[in-house]
Amino acid sequence: AAGVIQSPRHLIKEKRETATLKCYPIPRHDTVYWYQQGPGQDPQFLISFYEKMQSDKGSIPDRFSAQQFSDYHSELNMSSLELGDSALYFCASSLGRYEQFFGPGTRLTVL
Amino acid sequence: KNEVEQSPQNLTAQEGEFITINCSYSVGISALHWLQQHPGGGIVSLFMLSSGKKKHGRLIATINIQEKHSSLHITASHPRDSAVYICAVYSGNTPLVFGKGTRLSVIA
Repeated sequence: AAGVIQSPRHLIKEKRETATLKCYPIPRHDTVYWYQQGPGQDPQFLISFYEKMQSDKGSIPDRFSAQQFSDYHSELNMSSLELGDSALYFCASSLGRYEQFFGPGTRLTVL
Repeated sequence: KNEVEQSPQNLTAQEGEFITINCSYSVGISALHWLQQHPGGGIVSLFMLSSGKKKHGRLIATINIQEKHSSLHITASHPRDSAVYICAVYSGNTPLVFGKGTRLSVIA
């Protein structure tokens, strides 16, 4: 069965650079969630979209923005990267508020 | 105090042992997830439940909404079960609030 796809899987950036992470949900899923997991930390919710509209907002920094496109894929845009942004970024998708299915994550390293 | 508390934080078991991981939460929830994360790896959803009990293979999850408590059981544990198990809850309109996880090591 198709799963959630994230790209890239690994990304290395310098401080103050920008990064774009992509998430492709399971087909027919209409809701996408973004989570950030720092080293040794539990995941923290960043933001979610339902039917291409932002539905919930968590601890997403103002330097980050995200959107969901007409094909339901989502992109997380991160600007002015800081060392503390180094983390594993997970995307999850669901059909409405039913069970979330997680992608493999993008590991971002900021040098 | 965290909204979601898990115990134990770390657990070492011998292969074949029956394992129980507990999760208590302090907020009203609509559903609870049990997730599995291997070292450096992605997150896999094991169960989502809002009442009663679910079983999948050697894994069993139960929830008691009145007591705000859920348990994840692993029967006949195997070294490949070694991972971090995370309890996460849907609270109101907020997407998942995560527990700190339980690190399980199963030794052959």
